[in-house]
Parts: sequence; structure tokens; C-alpha cells
Amino acid sequence: QKEVEQDPGPLSVPEGAIVSLNCTYSNSAFQYFMWYRQYSRKGPELLMYTYSSGNKEDGRFTAQVDKSSKYISLFIRDSQPSDSATYLCASSSNSGGYQKVTFGTGTKLQVIP
Amino acid sequence: NAGVTQTPKFQVLKTGQSMTLQCAQDMNHEYMSWYRQDPGMGLRLIHYSVGAGITDQGEVPNGYNVSRSTTEDFPLRLLSAAPSQTSVYFCASSTLTSQEYGYTFGSGTRLTVV
Repeated sequence: QKEVEQDPGPLSVPEGAIVSLNCTYSNSAFQYFMWYRQYSRKGPELLMYTYSSGNKEDGRFTAQVDKSSKYISLFIRDSQPSDSATYLCASSSNSGGYQKVTFGTGTKLQVIP
Repeated sequence: NAGVTQTPKFQVLKTGQSMTLQCAQDMNHEYMSWYRQDPGMGLRLIHYSVGAGITDQGEVPNGYNVSRSTTEDFPLRLLSAAPSQTSVYFCASSTLTSQEYGYTFGSGTRLTVV
């Protein structure tokens, strides 16, 4: 079983919809939770970063972590065609002075105009 | 501001050939790593380094070699290429102290082994 599980999709939504992307994790030592966005044939780029439980909002994006259920979510409001990409969740724990990061497999999102 | 630069972008190798994938960063990041990305498998860590002269194995190190002689460069060597090493390879870097900035990834090297 992977430490971070993510539904690969693809997920297709109409422009303007609210998108919900989700991951689960199994390692209780994970402290940091991240979402990366990866456009086709590009490297991943950090979208949002949260520490421990709670919500974090950045424009149209909201990241949510529930450590009690080991559930990570990313919500995208008023989705745009430019949001079409693969979204990777990631979790990390401290390992010998640096953060050991484990990635989910990614969910491919398509926003249809 | 170049960030993380990977070369080459594309490469085709014959089974048994060796090659080096180059990675350079200009952000003075202590941490550098190599991942491979395969469909359905996600990003898997090959090797990583927390500073010049310090390297360690990740999840899938077999068939790959690394060294880190400078802070800026972290090359990945394929010793004897196999078709199973066909993949997209990403180099990533970060600071050790400001984890909230996450990893900066390169644009990737698409490798095909025939």
C-alpha cells in the first residue's frame, strides 16, 4: 500500500465548477502537506503548502488537511480551462534534518470551456 | 533566474549504453534529488543529496549512480541502460530550512531505452 493514495482520474468538469481533489495517507508522522500542479510535459510546481491540520486559502484555491482521518483535499473555485493539469498531493515528515517527501500518483483534471 | 536546469530534454539510448543526465540549480539549495515519473506510479525517488559530498539512495536506486561535487550540480548516471529505465526524469531542489517553499523541479528529461 502506498503511503499517499490519490485517485488518478481523469476528472472532467465544466468551466466555473467547483473542483474537489482528494488524497489519503497512512503515515502518522507526516507533518507537512503540499499540492503540486503539473502541466503536460512540464515539471511539477508547488501550488500550496500547509502544516498540520486546518485550511489554507490562496485565491481560488483552498487546501484542507484532516489529520484525524488522514485526508487531504484541494478545492478549486470558479475553475478555468487554465487549471487543466495533473495535481499531485504530497506529504512529508522530518528525516535526519530534512523533509522526506512522498508524492501521490496525481489526478488529471480537465476543465472544459 | 534559471531555477533548475536539466539537460538533455530528450534522449534515446540503446540497451547497454551509459549516459549522464545533467541537473544544475542557481538558487544555492542544499537539497537536490532525482525522481522518475511513470504512468500509474507517480514520482519515485532515485537518489538525493543534502549537500556537496553527501548522497544517499532513495526508493529505486538500482542502475543509477550520483555524485555531488558542488552545490550547484547533481548529475545522474545510467550505468548500463535497460528498457525498464524508459521514463521521465525530474531533478528537484530545495532549501533545508525553508520547507514551506517546497521543491523546485526542472522541466524533465524524457528517456527512451530501446
